[in-house]
Amino acid sequence: AQSVTQLGSHVSVSEGALVLLRCNYSSSVPPYLFWYVQYPNQGLQLLLKYTTGATLVKGINGFEAEFKKSETSFHLTKPSAHMSDAAEYFCAVSMSGGSNYKLTFGKGTLLTVNP
Amino acid sequence: KAGVTQTPRYLIKTRGQQVTLSCSPISGHRSVSWYQQTPGQGLQFLFEYFSETQRNKGNFPGRFSGRQFSNSRSEMNVSTLELGDSALYLCASKLATGGNTIYFGEGSWLTVV
Repeated sequence: AQSVTQLGSHVSVSEGALVLLRCNYSSSVPPYLFWYVQYPNQGLQLLLKYTTGATLVKGINGFEAEFKKSETSFHLTKPSAHMSDAAEYFCAVSMSGGSNYKLTFGKGTLLTVNP
Repeated sequence: KAGVTQTPRYLIKTRGQQVTLSCSPISGHRSVSWYQQTPGQGLQFLFEYFSETQRNKGNFPGRFSGRQFSNSRSEMNVSTLELGDSALYLCASKLATGGNTIYFGEGSWLTVV
């Protein structure tokens, strides 16, 4: 079974400040990990993913995340927040291998960026 | 390359009615899955289709059903609508093999009154 916990349902930062969105997962097999972003009234857009290999992954819009197996974490960061980053962010996990058809999502973190 | 396309984008139905939502996956993608998003329950997996066969199903009542056509397009149907079915229904597609990324459409907003 898999699960995802996103710490903090709402994070507020100032424009130019560091963005840190936390995600912890549990999985009985090596996981694939994803971050998706959802803007108001839109679907989900993939920000970045970890499957195998390098544990620090870079995504779109300046975001990156680091897979830490020992901490079962996959936190999302961005050095400098922009107003356009305001959205809801979802961490998700799927199983590696042939059963990677299904995503299990966290509850989401709403990011607010203050001018 | 066109993304995942869902129709209709918005619809309002009355309790007891039924609704059909449509999804066209990314060209070449043969796996289509559906998710329900509500403020209370978040994003929940409904079912997944591959080669016109339902491979997996989430924990939803039998009122929720779907199908996939030979061109990989998919439809989902909800019968005897309840107020609690009001949600954003998201369709997603992925490559059948060698692909591990699931791509989402814009969603269909269903309001049940």
